[in-house]
Amino acid sequence: KQEVTQIPAALSVPEGENLVLNCSFTDSAIYNLQWFRQDPGKGLTSLLLIQSSQREQTSGRLNASLDKSSGRSTLYIAASQPGDSATYLCAVNSGNTPLVFGKGTRLSVIA
Amino acid sequence: NAGVTQTPKFRVLKTGQSMTLLCAQDMNHEYMYWYRQDPGMGLRLIHYSVGEGTTAKGEVPDGYNVSRLKKQNFLLGLESAAPSQTSVYFCASRDRGRKFFGPGTRLTVL
Repeated sequence: KQEVTQIPAALSVPEGENLVLNCSFTDSAIYNLQWFRQDPGKGLTSLLLIQSSQREQTSGRLNASLDKSSGRSTLYIAASQPGDSATYLCAVNSGNTPLVFGKGTRLSVIA
Repeated sequence: NAGVTQTPKFRVLKTGQSMTLLCAQDMNHEYMYWYRQDPGMGLRLIHYSVGEGTTAKGEVPDGYNVSRLKKQNFLLGLESAAPSQTSVYFCASRDRGRKFFGPGTRLTVL
């Protein structure tokens, strides 16, 4: 059974810092991995999708990497801003089974 | 495109009452999902559907029923609400890769 773990559970950084959020999964036989952002009281917004054949995806200040063999993905946020404060979730797609989500990392960027 | 929409946004029920949550998507996606999100538990899958007329159980299906009579709609029903079903419910749909989520329904069962 696929399990997804996100560390740390919460993170607080000063504005302008570069930061890394971690996601690990137990079964490396995945199709893709997706990073989401959730603001308080809101739904999830898809940030980046990495296919199993890819090593990384970039969107603006966000960069997500995937190391399938070691069961790890990282989300790198450059030059963090207070508006980046949210909960970030990663989710793994192992094929015909539904996405398996981590519990998220709650990020606070302090101005 | 409206994306994924959910109705209602908020609801308060008394124990034993029934209700239906509606999810609609206009992206012609085959796959649709219902999740609940609780503090410290993360997102848990209730039921999902891989196409019109099909449904399947997820991780926490007990106490819920679903129907997918039309491709664009996925209904989640609570026949007899219990306080343990107080949660935020999210609907999602998926194309080949990306998953799109609705804004959520906050349900309180007293």
